[in-house]
Amino acid sequence: DTGVSQDPRHKITKRGQNVTFRCDPISEHNRLYWYRQTLGQGPEFLTYFQNEAQLEKSRLLSDRFSAERPKGSFSTLEIQRTEQGDSAMYLCASSYNRGGGVAVNTGELFFGEGSRLTVL
Amino acid sequence: GDSVTQMEGPVTLSEEAFLTINCTYTATGYPSLFWYVQYPGEGLQLLLKATKADDKGSNKGFEATYRKETTSFHLEKGSVQVSDSAVYFCALGSGGYNKLIFGAGTRLAVHP
Repeated sequence: DTGVSQDPRHKITKRGQNVTFRCDPISEHNRLYWYRQTLGQGPEFLTYFQNEAQLEKSRLLSDRFSAERPKGSFSTLEIQRTEQGDSAMYLCASSYNRGGGVAVNTGELFFGEGSRLTVL
Repeated sequence: GDSVTQMEGPVTLSEEAFLTINCTYTATGYPSLFWYVQYPGEGLQLLLKATKADDKGSNKGFEATYRKETTSFHLEKGSVQVSDSAVYFCALGSGGYNKLIFGAGTRLAVHP
């Protein structure tokens, strides 16, 4: 399977614990995105990387959240001192961006199946 | 900031019925518009897109036309099937495709 893969698919943790999610994008994709989705809502943007550089972070990404993409391939999203409000589906997506803006890029994101976090 | 508003679901239809899911947007500039679909147990996948005003995106019998004057991108299908049961998300490309902004999603249930 050459799609976006996420691990673990489901994590149950106690409040105050740290958790880490991993995302492996499609191999030739240079952009990687993290989104959060809560029940009945659409995905909310958290952050994205162009290769290894983190280019934008949402205000939703508090100091307890950190994302890395050290070699421009896989990425990790760590949540420290989890709170019940962190319970959500964390989605990873990737794309290939050629530069040159909308004229040459499709804008299509390829999503993984998500990592569901439950904080007790 | 940029935002997307979709009609609330769930939408329940009988097979072969006509489908419309409304989507309106607020954005600076001229964003590209998308419909994504999420089938049960699967990740989101692109259904169709339109990159400029009056463009019509189409795929699998679904269509949507980019209407700048009404800032809308309504999804339509002439005859739905049970296999179309899923959650549909309208989205806009913000900041030159730097990110997508999604609506809340509309769940569609099609019964035989």
